[in-house]
Amino acid sequence: GIQVEQSPPDLILQEGANSTLRCNFSDSVNNLQWFHQNPWGQLINLFYIPSGTKQNGRLSATTVATERYSLLYISSSQTTDSGVYFCAVDRMDSSYKLIFGSGTRLLVRP
Amino acid sequence: EAGVAQSPRYKIIEKRQSVAFWCNPISGHATLYWYQQILGQGPKLLIQFQNNGVVDDSQLPKDRFSAERLKGVDSTLKIQPAKLEDSAVYLCASSPRLAGVNNEQFFGPGTRLTVL
Repeated sequence: GIQVEQSPPDLILQEGANSTLRCNFSDSVNNLQWFHQNPWGQLINLFYIPSGTKQNGRLSATTVATERYSLLYISSSQTTDSGVYFCAVDRMDSSYKLIFGSGTRLLVRP
Repeated sequence: EAGVAQSPRYKIIEKRQSVAFWCNPISGHATLYWYQQILGQGPKLLIQFQNNGVVDDSQLPKDRFSAERLKGVDSTLKIQPAKLEDSAVYLCASSPRLAGVNNEQFFGPGTRLTVL
């Protein structure tokens, strides 16, 4: 099946710093989503981005589908950005379930 | 627009007991998913419904897990009997359709199950 790898697995930042999270996937995909799982376990949708670039405030994401990777940029990080960031994809076949990576655990210190 | 609703939020049971979780998707969403998230891992799909029909239940442990979406709206996931390894967060998600463009999935708050 499709493999989704996220890096780095853990990241510690000082408040105000910038960071880049990476998601590599092993096959062509229909859909790619980035999520933030907050400390209460809620998965919050950040981006639906099968290709191209999107921006939402301090966050932006780029997916290069032909090279099978996506990047999530966090600028001017805040303590509320702490949590786990997941990338999830669905394959370009008849199954449309999301396959999740193992996540990047981010801690932003004040 | 209301999001995906789930209940209960937390449940603690003894092994071999039974438990049920409820999910109400976003209004108008045809596709409903149940995922299991074990601590430290990403969510994994258990079962996927399109309206009231099952699309994919290949990862559902059918000897103990069952799920239904009788009227094509809300859904129930049941575990009977529960094992220690079933301790996890159970997440429900919905999307507008089975496939195609702009088919973003949205997740509920989850039910945290502890089996003692």
